[in-house]
Amino acid sequence: KAGVTQTPRYLIKTRGQQVTLSCSPISGHRSVSWYQQTPGQGLQFLFEYFSETQRNKGNFPGRFSGRQFSNSRSEMNVSTLELGDSALYLCASSVGTGNTEAFFGQGTRLTVV
Amino acid sequence: GQQVMQIPQYQHVQEGEDFTTYCNSSTTLSNIQWYKQRPGGHPVFLIQLVKSGEVKKQKRLTFQFGEAKKNSSLHITATQTTDVGTYFCAGRNYGQNFVFGPGTRLSVLP
Repeated sequence: KAGVTQTPRYLIKTRGQQVTLSCSPISGHRSVSWYQQTPGQGLQFLFEYFSETQRNKGNFPGRFSGRQFSNSRSEMNVSTLELGDSALYLCASSVGTGNTEAFFGQGTRLTVV
Repeated sequence: GQQVMQIPQYQHVQEGEDFTTYCNSSTTLSNIQWYKQRPGGHPVFLIQLVKSGEVKKQKRLTFQFGEAKKNSSLHITATQTTDVGTYFCAGRNYGQNFVFGPGTRLSVLP
């Protein structure tokens, strides 16, 4: 079966702009989690969605938001981009929440200039 | 909030040597997962541990969950160059999200 698909793979944005990243989970998976990965901070949890509801939220400013659609696809949005938002954004899908393995997508590499 | 630490941060071994990475949580965990990320790749699930004192083996990899469910370890016997990558543990407190450790980057010299 197809894996987790994230689009776009690479993105360059200017400081102050906003960006929307997309994640299509594995068919049948209802949970989607988002992570920010940077060399200095490692994998930082952003948020988790299950059946269109946000289940958990990490410690990120309100500029970071997300949503999940009825087909389980998810988007995350970052407004008023800062240089420090440059990172690899990873999406992970799983069948359920909390006790099942997560399948990661290839990620979206965001560069803010 | 919950914190997950891992040691060592880096490990360089000669091919054939053993390798161990340790994961420690500031709080009791309901379950812990281990992932491997190859350079330039994305994290790939290895295993999940749920029970206190649980030990699981996958070929040359041995995973252990501490009795108090606050620590875990991953041991690789006789490393190979294919073992190169960063190994992450991810601990979850009941009802909360997974918190990833900073990872241990393993390099294997042929």
